[in-house]
This record gives sequence, structure tokens and C-alpha cells, in this order.
Amino acid sequence: EAGVAQSPRYKIIEKRQSVAFWCNPISGHATLYWYQQILGQGPKLLIQFQNNGVVDDSQLPKDRFSAERLKGVDSTLKIQPAKLEDSAVYLCASSLELTSGNEQFFGPGTRLTVL
Amino acid sequence: AQSVTQLGSHVSVSEGALVLLRCNYSSSVPPYLFWYVQYPNQGLQLLLKYTSAATLVKGINGFEAEFKKSETSFHLTKPSAHMSDAAEYFCAVSTGANSKLTFGKGITLSVRP
Repeated sequence: EAGVAQSPRYKIIEKRQSVAFWCNPISGHATLYWYQQILGQGPKLLIQFQNNGVVDDSQLPKDRFSAERLKGVDSTLKIQPAKLEDSAVYLCASSLELTSGNEQFFGPGTRLTVL
Repeated sequence: AQSVTQLGSHVSVSEGALVLLRCNYSSSVPPYLFWYVQYPNQGLQLLLKYTSAATLVKGINGFEAEFKKSETSFHLTKPSAHMSDAAEYFCAVSTGANSKLTFGKGITLSVRP
């Protein structure tokens, strides 16, 4: 079974530029998550989708971050404009369904450096 | 609200020694608890999870954890450390109908030859 795919793996941009990340979850997984992992910290949930609907985006900085999962499969996360403090690893995860206790499967992440 | 506390940022053990990584949680409802491992430049991999069945949970690579409600703890152990166990370990909690995970800040495990 193929895992969660993410691209690009690395991205370097200057502040105020825009950037987009792509995620393809495990086939058949209805729930998709985007996490931000700042160096030295645990992952923090940014947004959670169930199929193509948003379940939780309470910690997403909506003035600069946006995400979509239009067809309920793959997803994109965008930052516009980027700030220095956005430097982090962005992890995508998926699970079979929304129920607590379900294992989340993580992709390798995209490491973003904002200069 | 739910939260996880992982005290300390780094644990160092000798190869063959006991590994003990501590995790305490806070939750107003019965929690689901997870331990994930992260190797350099990789995503997180599930080691084990507690979902209200047996309080002693066995996971992959010889790791296990015990859920202690009275202590609000879910410490991770392994009887004998191997060099390949060197990684970062995260404890996480999930509650309610939503599968949202709240992670601790993680602990880096080093294994000395």
C-alpha cells in the first residue's frame, strides 16, 4: 500500500513570497490533516478535512494560510505571503475515518525555510 | 481541552539499557493515547496506541506503554535499547468524536555504544 505522498520535500523562499505544498493521502482515506512542526516542537494541527469539507481549522492563520481538498482526495496548502516564523516542516497525514483512536499515517513532510 | 507534557528534551542511554520516556496527559474525557517515532527527515510512524482496551499496550520494535489513569500517565518503555532506536519520540492525545491529535513537544533519544 502506497503511503502519504508530499511534494516538494524542501523549499526555500524569501519573506513575502508565496508557496504551495501538495499532499496525496493513502487511497480510501477520508480524513486528511495538515500539521506544522516548528523545530524543537511537536506537530500542531493547522487544518483537518473530512472528504472535501473542513472539520477543524481553528489554528490556521487564515490571513495568510489557505488549504483546499476540492475532490476529496489530494490537498494543497498555501502560504501567501510567507513570514520568517513560517519556517517549519509541514506534515500531511491521513486516516481511514474521523473517529478518535484511528491511526494517522504521516507523509515525509515539506521543510520550508523562509529567508 | 486536552494537552500532553513530555518533560525534558533529551534522554541518553547505553545500548542494552532500559529506555523510559515519560508522558503525562490532561483530558476531561477518557483519552486515546499514542506514541509516534520520527527518524531524521522522515514523517511520524506509530509505535503504539491506547484505545481503552488493555492498559498495557505492546507496540512495534519491542516498545510498550502502560496507561495509568490515577497518574494521568502513559510512559513508553523498552527493556533493552538498540542503536536503531535513536530518534525523536512524540506522545499524543485524542479525545471525543474528532480524531484531532494534540502532541507533546517530543523527546530525543540517543543510544550510546
